[in-house]
Amino acid sequence: DSGVTQTPKHLITATGQRVTLRCSPRSGDLSVYWYQQSLDQGLQFLIHYYNGEERAKGNILERFSAQQFPDLHSELNLSSLELGDSALYFCASSVRWGAGEKLFFGSGTQLSVL
Amino acid sequence: EDQVTQSPEALRLQEGESSSLNCSYTVSGLRGLFWYRQDPGKGPEFLFTLYSAGEEKEKERLKATLTKKESFLHITAPKPEDSATYLCAVSRNSGNTPLVFGKGTRLSVIA
Repeated sequence: DSGVTQTPKHLITATGQRVTLRCSPRSGDLSVYWYQQSLDQGLQFLIHYYNGEERAKGNILERFSAQQFPDLHSELNLSSLELGDSALYFCASSVRWGAGEKLFFGSGTQLSVL
Repeated sequence: EDQVTQSPEALRLQEGESSSLNCSYTVSGLRGLFWYRQDPGKGPEFLFTLYSAGEEKEKERLKATLTKKESFLHITAPKPEDSATYLCAVSRNSGNTPLVFGKGTRLSVIA
């Protein structure tokens, strides 16, 4: 058990809908990262938050947004969903931020857009 | 742009048959190279970090090595419980750049 908690584990929804994925980092970790994993693209970095502030953005669509709350949990909001958004979404946490930090991953949320 | 290429995509071994997985990388100033293991339906689990060419790290039947262009994950006398996808990732030595992952090698060890 990595100590990173993601909910829900599975999510099935329809095109055009909006969903929220939730992540609780390991106790004491200030950094939260979101990654998307699909069969053809592998793990793709979406966004990074450190202690409530956005620190880096990757290949995150404008339809997607995230935030980190004062209690350090994070939410990833996906709107106007398309079939191609179906994927595994992982949250990871680390103590600090910066190059070389080891990440601890949650078990992921499997999103299916029908 | 940082790139990580892993080969082979899939590998099937008999129990006890040793082999190696390859991770080739292109990065502007390597800060660290990471190996993760991912089981089906789970998140990646950290295995090793290597920081400089020539460095080696071992854990049970796994040994990771690093050169200036690639890393190898050697698996000695594997067991069925070693079956998983092995992911390689790199971080750059500047700024707050996230880990860049390869697509992984799916390893199956048959009893």
